[in-house]
Amino acid sequence: GENVEQHPSTLSVQEGDSAVIKCTYSDSASNYFPWYKQELGKGPQLIIDIRSNVGEKKDQRIAVTLNKTAKHFSLHITETQPEDSAVYFCAASKGYNFNKFYFGSGTKLNVKP
Amino acid sequence: ETGVTQSPTHLIKTRGQQVTLRCSSQSGHNTVSWYQQALGQGPQFIFQYYREEENGRGNFPPRFSGLQFPNYSSELNVNALELDDSALYLCASTTGGTPITGELFFGEGSRLTVL
Repeated sequence: GENVEQHPSTLSVQEGDSAVIKCTYSDSASNYFPWYKQELGKGPQLIIDIRSNVGEKKDQRIAVTLNKTAKHFSLHITETQPEDSAVYFCAASKGYNFNKFYFGSGTKLNVKP
Repeated sequence: ETGVTQSPTHLIKTRGQQVTLRCSSQSGHNTVSWYQQALGQGPQFIFQYYREEENGRGNFPPRFSGLQFPNYSSELNVNALELDDSALYLCASTTGGTPITGELFFGEGSRLTVL
């Protein structure tokens, strides 16, 4: 089955700096790669996603890049703010109906004011 | 629009007992997935239900079972509880229709502790 690895496990940045989280996947058939943000005591919430026919996607301060050849994708957060502090998960899925997602182990991001 | 709700939020069981967790899907969603999230780990797929039928299963033993009801709410049942079953159990709903966006809408989870 698919194996998604995520690095780093913890990341501490100063407010206003950029943060980058990286993930690799093993199944070349995976074609959908979402990123979820989980705040304490809450369920994960989708923040951005990318499909395999696109190399990059941006939404305000958040961007995701995908390298299908190398089977890795990254989350980029610019101008970080304290409210960005949370645990971030990457995930991968394949097929038409995305019925199964494989999640990375998470990155705890701490943005220091 | 009502989001995904799960109950109970916390519960404690002992080894060998059975547990039932409940989930109400978001309004308009007919597909429910269950995930197990161990402490400090990412969610792990248990199974998905679409229109009351199991539509995919992860690497979990048969003592993990589920149901989906005509109103698309769902239950996760775990028999013969083991210490390693201690985790946050997340329910997520999706539209399951067209277009399929892929976005999972998660509830806040049920925290199960097995002693």
